[in-house]
This record gives sequence, C-alpha cells and structure tokens, in this order.
Amino acid sequence: QVQLQQWGAGLLKPSETLSLTCAVYGESFSGYYWSWIRQPPGEGLEWIGEINDSGRTDYNPSLKSRVTLSVDTSKNQFSLKLSSVTAADTAVYYCTSHVGHDGDSTWGQGTLVTVSS
Amino acid sequence: DIQMTQSPSSLSASVGDRVTITCRASQSISRHLNWYQQKPGKAPNLLIYAASSLQSGVPSRFSGSGSGTDFTLTISSLQPEDFATYFCQQSYSTPRTFGQGTKLEIK
Repeated sequence: QVQLQQWGAGLLKPSETLSLTCAVYGESFSGYYWSWIRQPPGEGLEWIGEINDSGRTDYNPSLKSRVTLSVDTSKNQFSLKLSSVTAADTAVYYCTSHVGHDGDSTWGQGTLVTVSS
Repeated sequence: DIQMTQSPSSLSASVGDRVTITCRASQSISRHLNWYQQKPGKAPNLLIYAASSLQSGVPSRFSGSGSGTDFTLTISSLQPEDFATYFCQQSYSTPRTFGQGTKLEIK
C-alpha cells in the first residue's frame, strides 16, 4: 500500500519559489502518476499537475508557466516547484498518486504554504 | 477545461437519512468520475472511482452512479462520521477538475 510523506517550506515571501517534496513508501515508483493538488483555506481543490515514473509531465494550463515537476526514482521521491509566488498561491498543497484514469487514492498529509510579505 | 458543478452546495440531514449529491460535467466524461470525502484539517479520501466502483475500505452505504455528464453520490443511511464535505472530480482529461464541494451538516 502506497504511503506519501511530504515536506517543504511553509512561509514564503512574494516572488519566491515554492518547493515541496513527496516521498513514496510501500510501492514501486513505476506504474503510477504522481500529482500535486492544492486547496486555498476554506476553498475547493485545484489540480496542479502530474508526472509519471519516466518523467512525462502534464500541467494545469493556469499554472504551467510557473510549475515544474520532477522525479528522483533513486530516492522514490517527486517534487514541485512553483515560481514567482503571490498571496493567491497560499494554500494547503497535497501530493497524491493515481493509476490511469482512476481517482487519487493516496494523499500526503498536506503542507500549508503561506505567502506573505 | 471541463467544468464540474455540484449540487447542493450545502445540505442538512439527520443520522439515518438517505442523502444524494449530484455532479454535472460540462461535457461527456464517460464514467471517469470520482468522489471524495474531506473532514476538517484532513486530506480528501477517495470513496468512489469510475463513477460506481467502491474504493477498498469504504463502507457499502456509499454508492455512485451515472455516466456521460450526470452523476450522483448516495449515502444510504447517514452515520455520525459521514458529516463532512464531499467533492466530485473528473479524471477523463487533464487538467483534472473538481466540483466546488457539498458540505453535509447535521440537522
């Protein structure tokens, strides 16, 4: 059974780069899609993008110019970078996993990232 | 992007009630529709995938139906632990998009 544990800086200033990493435990890295989803406080869920074990990426067009996803298969980890953050990027960020068209069956614990000057 | 519209946005019900939440897609998504439950301060939990398949470990009082553009989540007999927020999500195409959520509260 897949387990995800995530970490990264929780407080950023405007224009800085958000950086989060998610470690995968209990399952092979291959055969899955590894995603990031965020949720502003009190709001709904927004899909940021996904990456597979071979490094193929797919980004939300609304964030594409600022997002980079990467994988480190040797460490069973994947990462999110979001550049030029503003207050609008304040949210809980989750890493997730899914297979094919299935739902996101495993979620990390979430990281609250606050952007404030 | 495919737009997902949930209704109602909030719902008051009692323990033992049968509850239905609906989700409509802006275009056909076949059966690529998932339902999540989220409790305060926690990550969402997958309940139903592919419109009607029950995720492992989820109680059988949860069920899903629909195809194309119209979908429903039904809780057959509400339990105290079911009071939470529910989201639908389409996984037909990227970007995966979510409904705005339905907050289920105790009457």
